[in-house]
Amino acid sequence: DGGITQSPKYLFRKEGQNVTLSCEQNLNHDAMYWYRQDPGQGLRLIYYSQIVNDFQKGDIAEGYSVSREKKESFPLTVTSAQKNPTAFYLCASSAIALTGYGYTFGSGTRLTVV
Amino acid sequence: QQQVKQSPQSLIVQKGGIPIINCAYENTAFDYFPWYQQFPGKGPALLIAIRPDVSEKKEGRFTISFNKSAKQFSLHIMDSQPGDSATYFCAAGEDQTGANNLFFGTGTRLTVIP
Repeated sequence: DGGITQSPKYLFRKEGQNVTLSCEQNLNHDAMYWYRQDPGQGLRLIYYSQIVNDFQKGDIAEGYSVSREKKESFPLTVTSAQKNPTAFYLCASSAIALTGYGYTFGSGTRLTVV
Repeated sequence: QQQVKQSPQSLIVQKGGIPIINCAYENTAFDYFPWYQQFPGKGPALLIAIRPDVSEKKEGRFTISFNKSAKQFSLHIMDSQPGDSATYFCAAGEDQTGANNLFFGTGTRLTVIP
């Protein structure tokens, strides 16, 4: 089955720690995205990538970093510079042209600062 | 600037009622209008989508109405069920212009009371 796999499902971070969220897709999609969702809120774009070894900042990139070394993988690192990282993180992918399918989302990672 | 405006923020209906969620956009270049359904703790999933060459599209109990001249579109859920309780996001984008071309509304939290 094609889809997007996010791991882990739950993640706990201590103050001052960097943590990395995994996102893998087997849909052969060129574009991948990271969104942050706070309780009762909409989707805010953190970073996106259209092609391997290239990525662009979204609306709330500060305190986050990404890499795109493989087409299938787009990991997100939440750095210690992100002062309020507790949130639900969603990874998505799409063809460059939407072609009627829009974005496909993963099942999310819930990050909590302890 | 919010590219897609969605209302209401929350909605409570009785079982069997017809909740209506509205969205408006400004960019006349948008030609793809999907709706996503998100259950708590899960990623959004594509529910139904419409293109501007039709005024209405039905899939089961879900209907999108589209008004091109008013630049508005809405989701109607016929015979709503408690299982429809979720957050619904509208989105709009240009189908063939490249990545990061889908803009999301802020979401509507729907509760269907048994």
